[in-house]
Amino acid sequence: QKEVEQNSGPLSVPEGAIASLNCTYSDRVSQSFFWYRQYSGKSPELIMSIYSNGDKEDGRFTAQLNKASQYVSLLIRDSQPSDSATYLCAVTLSSGSARQLTFGSGTQLTVLP
Amino acid sequence: DAGITQSPRHKVTETGTPVTLRCHQTENHRYMYWYRQDPGHGLRLIHYSYGVKDTDKGEVSDGYSVSRSKTEDFLLTLESATSSQTSVYFCAIRGPRMDEKLFFGSGTQLSVL
Repeated sequence: QKEVEQNSGPLSVPEGAIASLNCTYSDRVSQSFFWYRQYSGKSPELIMSIYSNGDKEDGRFTAQLNKASQYVSLLIRDSQPSDSATYLCAVTLSSGSARQLTFGSGTQLTVLP
Repeated sequence: DAGITQSPRHKVTETGTPVTLRCHQTENHRYMYWYRQDPGHGLRLIHYSYGVKDTDKGEVSDGYSVSRSKTEDFLLTLESATSSQTSVYFCAIRGPRMDEKLFFGSGTQLSVL
């Protein structure tokens, strides 16, 4: 079992819809959770971080964390074609150094005009 | 943008030759990382550093070595490049706090023929 798992997609949603991206992780002691967006040919850029159970909202983005079920999700409201990218979930795992982030393989999102 | 510069941006080399990739930061961050990104695998940690001359192995360290003689520079060396090391290599930096985010450089596309 991978330490951080994401559906690879591709996920397609129409413009204006809500895109829902999911991520599960294996380490119950994980502390920090991040969502990165990566456009084709570019480097990953951080869009959300979450550290405690519940929801965290930032503009059109909402991160949701459930440590008991070991999942973290990202909702994108009013999706735009410019949101089309690969979304990477990253988790700080206790098995490695506290400074290591482990990434999922990413979910490719396409927003259709 | 975080002050991270990777060089070279692109490199083509032959199997068996040594290759060194450079990561330079102007943020004075303690933590620096080398990841590789391959289709279907996401970002995988090769090596990381938590200070000058302090480095440790990541998930896929075989065939790679690193050095950090100055805070601002983190070098990744492929002693004898193989075709399986064809990949996109990203350097990343992070501040000292547990919840600090990872910022990525622009990446190096390496092709080993």
